[in-house]
This record gives sequence, C-alpha cells and structure tokens, in this order.
Amino acid sequence: GQNIDQPTEMTATEGAIVQINCTYQTSGFNGLFWYQQHAGEAPTFLSYNVLDGLEEKGRFSSFLSRSKGYSYLLLKELQMKDSASYLCAVMDSNYQLIWGAGTKLIIKP
Amino acid sequence: NAGVTQTPKFRVLKTGQSMTLLCAQDMNHEYMYWYRQDPGMGLRLIHYSVGEGTTAKGEVPDGYNVSRLKKQNFLLGLESAAPSQTSVYFCATDSSGGAGDEQFFGPGTRLTVL
Repeated sequence: GQNIDQPTEMTATEGAIVQINCTYQTSGFNGLFWYQQHAGEAPTFLSYNVLDGLEEKGRFSSFLSRSKGYSYLLLKELQMKDSASYLCAVMDSNYQLIWGAGTKLIIKP
Repeated sequence: NAGVTQTPKFRVLKTGQSMTLLCAQDMNHEYMYWYRQDPGMGLRLIHYSVGEGTTAKGEVPDGYNVSRLKKQNFLLGLESAAPSQTSVYFCATDSSGGAGDEQFFGPGTRLTVL
C-alpha cells in the first residue's frame, strides 16, 4: 500500500530552527509537496521537490532524497505565526496526491 | 478574484438527510477535487474532475456523488448522510493535474451528522 509518515507533533522555540521529516512509500513518484495549514483554515502551498537536493525559499527549505524515500522541511528563525500543521504529500504514478496526516508544530516564546 | 469558495461553511445534518456542497472557482482551472479531512488522517480524495462534464472516483467515493456541469463549479452530494461522514470537506483546484501543479484550496465545510 501507499504510506506517508510524519511525526504527529513537534515543539520549538521562537527564533530557533526546526526540521520536520517525512518518509514515503508510494506507487511511483512525481514529486513531493509541502503545505502549511493553520488551525481551522485551508492548506496553502509551501514547496515542491521532484529532484534530489535542497530547495530554499526564504526562511523555509525543503530537501528530497528519492532513493531513501525521504524529505524534510526546514524552518529557520521561527516566528509565532509559524505555529500550524505541516502536510507532506507525494504525487504518485497516477498523478494523484497521497497525503500524510500532518505534523502539528507548536512554537513557544 | 475570490479564488476558490465553498458553500456552506458549516452544516449539521441528521442521519438520512441529504445535502449538496458547492465549490466555485474563478481561476479558470480544469481540475477540481473534493477531499475530506479527519483527525489523525491525511486528506483523502473523494471524487475529482479533469474538466467540465467529467467526474472520476477517488480513494473514498462511497456515499458521495458529484457533478461538474460548468467549468467553474463542482458539486458534492450526500444522498443519505451517515455519522461516518462527519468531517471537514475541502475543495481544491489546479490548472492541469500535472507534476508540480500547486493545488489551491477552498476554506472548507465543516459537516456534522448526528
């Protein structure tokens, strides 16, 4: 079967760095997405990786290793507004998204 | 531009009642999707559409029907609601369903079935 694993919850301190991991087993691979979802709101797109390596976008970076079935989202200089759930999703061979359950990130002052 | 909108935002149904959720987009996107989101689980695809007049089943289609009569609208119907359909429903769209296409989500509909 297809499976996406992420930690359920993480806690970090304002101003610090946090890494959210995602491992996957899917039928085919057409890229990996990260979305941010604030409580009670819709998911919004953060990043897309299809080739191995690191993609940097401001305070957020996303890494992919296809051979290991592994990705991480790195958030730097954490701000209170970064408190949210972070969803990992893989596009399979049918171009459908398989979603992880999300990682709830709690930022403490 | 409103982007993706959903109607209604909240709804409480009794078991056996029916209802229709409306998704509307002004982004001129071909692909539209209906997901449900439940605690501790990832988003699960119910049905999707690759263009006006087309629909297809996703991962969890049972108990739901859909229609896409106009490109900008995608309707999700529950004919006979069950408590297991209590969930948050999200509509999403993207331009072509291809690799790398970002999905844009509506604000969600929170449905409770008693």
